Amino acid sequence: QKEVEQDPGPLSVPEGAIVSLNCTYSNSAFQYFMWYRQYSRKGPELLMYTYSSGNKEDGRFTAQVDKSSKYISLFIRDSQPSDSATYLCAGTTGNQFYFGTGTSLTVIP
Amino acid sequence: SAVISQKPSRDICQRGTSLTIQCQVDSQVTMMFWYRQQPGQSLTLIATANQGSEATYESGFVIDKFPISRPNLTFSTLTVSNMSPEDSSIYLCSVDWSAGGGYTFGSGTRLTVV
Repeated sequence: QKEVEQDPGPLSVPEGAIVSLNCTYSNSAFQYFMWYRQYSRKGPELLMYTYSSGNKEDGRFTAQVDKSSKYISLFIRDSQPSDSATYLCAGTTGNQFYFGTGTSLTVIP
Repeated sequence: SAVISQKPSRDICQRGTSLTIQCQVDSQVTMMFWYRQQPGQSLTLIATANQGSEATYESGFVIDKFPISRPNLTFSTLTVSNMSPEDSSIYLCSVDWSAGGGYTFGSGTRLTVV
């Protein structure tokens, strides 16, 4: 079983839609959770970083962690064509990082 | 967060040759990490580079194939040696700027071996 599982998509939504990206993880030792955004031909860019269960909001982005079910989500409100990218979730024990395979998102104008 | 400059951004190489990828950070960091990103797969950690000591390699990666240098706290290189088409991938360097709280990645090197 992989440490972090993520549906690769691709996911295609119309502009303005609410996007939900999800991952599950198996390692109970994960302390921190992250979402990265990766544009084509670029390195991953840290988007959201959370520590505890619950929600963390930053503008149009909300990261949600449910440690009881080992489930992490990223919600994008009012999605824009500029949000078209691959989104990677990650968890870390503090010593090692584990990444999902990424979900490809396209927001259609 | 740290800013990382990575080069080359891409290269096409002949099999059997070697390519050295450079990574420059705008601040001093203890550890630098080298990752490989293959299509449809997770980011895979190749090795951790500490200044002043040998790099620590993950299972499946060896120093003869991926020698790493770390001459100071802001710079590291990864060499992909004796390349084969299976080495075609994106290679990324990264630093952990917040003690486990998040990685900053370089822009990556897209390597194609023909």
